[in-house]
Amino acid sequence: DTGVSQNPRHKITKRGQNVTFRCDPISEHNRLYWYRQTLGQGPEFLTYFQNEAQLEKSRLLSDRFSAERPKGSFSTLEIQRTEQGDSAMYLCASRYQVGTDTQYFGPGTRLTVL
Amino acid sequence: AQKVTQAQTEISVVEKEDVTLDCVYETRDTTYYLFWYKQPPSGELVFLIRRNSFDEQNEISGRYSWNFQKSTSSFNFTITASQVVDSAVYFCALSEVYSGGGADGLTFGKGTHLIIQP
Repeated sequence: DTGVSQNPRHKITKRGQNVTFRCDPISEHNRLYWYRQTLGQGPEFLTYFQNEAQLEKSRLLSDRFSAERPKGSFSTLEIQRTEQGDSAMYLCASRYQVGTDTQYFGPGTRLTVL
Repeated sequence: AQKVTQAQTEISVVEKEDVTLDCVYETRDTTYYLFWYKQPPSGELVFLIRRNSFDEQNEISGRYSWNFQKSTSSFNFTITASQVVDSAVYFCALSEVYSGGGADGLTFGKGTHLIIQP
């Protein structure tokens, strides 16, 4: 399978705990994006990387959220001190920097904060 | 600021009917991209089409067709002879083109839930 993969697919945690999600982009895609999708809404942009550099962050990305892409390949998204409002689907997408401009999405990680 | 409006929250039709999903967008940019994605119950967003702002030609792909009208800032999606497998949530999305080329953070509409009844 050469698509975008995300792990875990589901995560249930208690309020106040830290969680970390992983995204593996399509091979050789140098741009990687994180989105959040709540029930009944469209995905909302959180942040993106070009190789290992984080180039843009949405105002939705509070201080409790941090994303990394240390070697320019996979990325992690960590949420510290989770709140019930963090419950959502977290989607990852990737694409080439130039040429095709289409973002291809992974299956998402569904987070439930109790 | 960019905005995408999908006024139809839910549409239900009987199989084999034609159905059109509406998308209206707002942007101050003269160069931008428009997209449609399909989200089946499994949750993964599936890319359907990309259109840049300079290309107003309509496009047809099998039972799918798209009508881009810059004058009305609309990018509508029609499914002809709908099938039960078309049931999903469909999202319209917009992004601007940075000087470095290519589209970045997408702005999505709220989606239209399409139900095709057998």
